[in-house]
Amino acid sequence: NAGVIQTPRHKVTGKGQEATLWCEPISGHSAVFWYRQTIVQGLEFLTYFRNQAPIDDSGMPKERFSAQMPNQSHSTLKIQSTQPQDSAVYLCASSLGWGETLYFGSGTRLTVL
Amino acid sequence: QQKVQQSPESLIVPEGGMASLNCTSSDRNVDYFWWYRQHSGKSPKMLMSIFSNGEKEEGRFTVHLNKASLHTSLHIRDSQPSDSALYLCAASTGNTGKLIFGLGTTLQVQP
Repeated sequence: NAGVIQTPRHKVTGKGQEATLWCEPISGHSAVFWYRQTIVQGLEFLTYFRNQAPIDDSGMPKERFSAQMPNQSHSTLKIQSTQPQDSAVYLCASSLGWGETLYFGSGTRLTVL
Repeated sequence: QQKVQQSPESLIVPEGGMASLNCTSSDRNVDYFWWYRQHSGKSPKMLMSIFSNGEKEEGRFTVHLNKASLHTSLHIRDSQPSDSALYLCAASTGNTGKLIFGLGTTLQVQP
């Protein structure tokens, strides 16, 4: 079991460019979560899927962020027109189900210049 | 305002000492609490969870929960330098499944 896999590990974009982050959850896990972590804001909830269906995206900045889960083996987080304040570590996590332990990936460190 | 508040922000204890960390939720709908530990440069890993009033012990770690006050605490006895990390408290409600995290307590155990 390789755990939750996130790619890339690091991404640098220029202001206004697009960034796509990838997540492969643990096989058999039905819930997938996206969080972002900064020193100031801590670990912030963005969105989550259960059985590939979007359940709650209340943490997503609506205009530029979008997340999809086209199949049970991967999810993507897309940020359009990136801004310096989007710089953070983006963490994907999966769990067996609702109310179960979250297993986090190693994260993608996004730097927007 | 953070819905999950942790204190203290940072804590230094000597090796072999006791570390006590606190967490309170301001959301009355919360009914599950989790403690995650994050070593520097690593991702968070679940340490303990508690859903019922009372106490739960696993090795050197003990967690308490008071559901009436929505307060949980984590106690680490015989602290080791390897316990130095960011400790994150998270809360979830039974009908949503998502975890809301506090800002964490940074624990440093000095040899």
